[in-house]
Amino acid sequence: DAGVIQSPRHEVTEMGQEVTLRCKPISGHDYLFWYRQTMMRGLELLIYFNNNVPIDDSGMPEDRFSAKMPNASFSTLKIQPSEPRDSAVYFCASSLGNTGELFFGEGSRLTVL
Amino acid sequence: GENVEQHPSTLSVQEGDSAVIKCTYSDSASNYFPWYKQELGKGPQLIIDIRSNVGEKKDQRIAVTLNKTAKHFSLHITETQPEDSAVYFCAASIGNYGQNFVFGPGTRLSVLP
Repeated sequence: DAGVIQSPRHEVTEMGQEVTLRCKPISGHDYLFWYRQTMMRGLELLIYFNNNVPIDDSGMPEDRFSAKMPNASFSTLKIQPSEPRDSAVYFCASSLGNTGELFFGEGSRLTVL
Repeated sequence: GENVEQHPSTLSVQEGDSAVIKCTYSDSASNYFPWYKQELGKGPQLIIDIRSNVGEKKDQRIAVTLNKTAKHFSLHITETQPEDSAVYFCAASIGNYGQNFVFGPGTRLSVLP
């Protein structure tokens, strides 16, 4: 299996622009997570899905952030409009059932100028 | 809510020595405690985990101990090697074996040759 695939790996954009991050989970996994990693706040859970349904989005910082999972093999995290404080590495992870192990992608490094 | 603290934030050891990283958690309902290793430019990867019905678990050079009464758990790496250099994160499940975790702030381990 190719693992969790994220794109883009790097994104540089200007404040106010829309940013869309993409994730393909491991085939057969029924949980998908979006995390944000910064030096100041560490790894923070933004939202997670079970069987394509959002379960907990309490970590989404504000209305500028939205996430969708239209099918079992694809998810997006959108920031509109982006701000410099959104600069971070965004990780997607997937897991199977309640095994507990999260499989992380390699991350999308976002820089908002 | 759950709060996870991790110490030390940085750790340098000589190759061949042991390394110990300690974590504490606040939610007595937490019952699953994974440890993740993050190498530069990559996503975190599970290296070992422990559930609350077990006090210790070992996998080759790594071991984890759990003290539920004191609400702390530790990672032990013996015979450290340069490839052990990475950032290590502990985590605790939110509540009873959920798919949601709170991560510690991380420990940067450097193994000096």
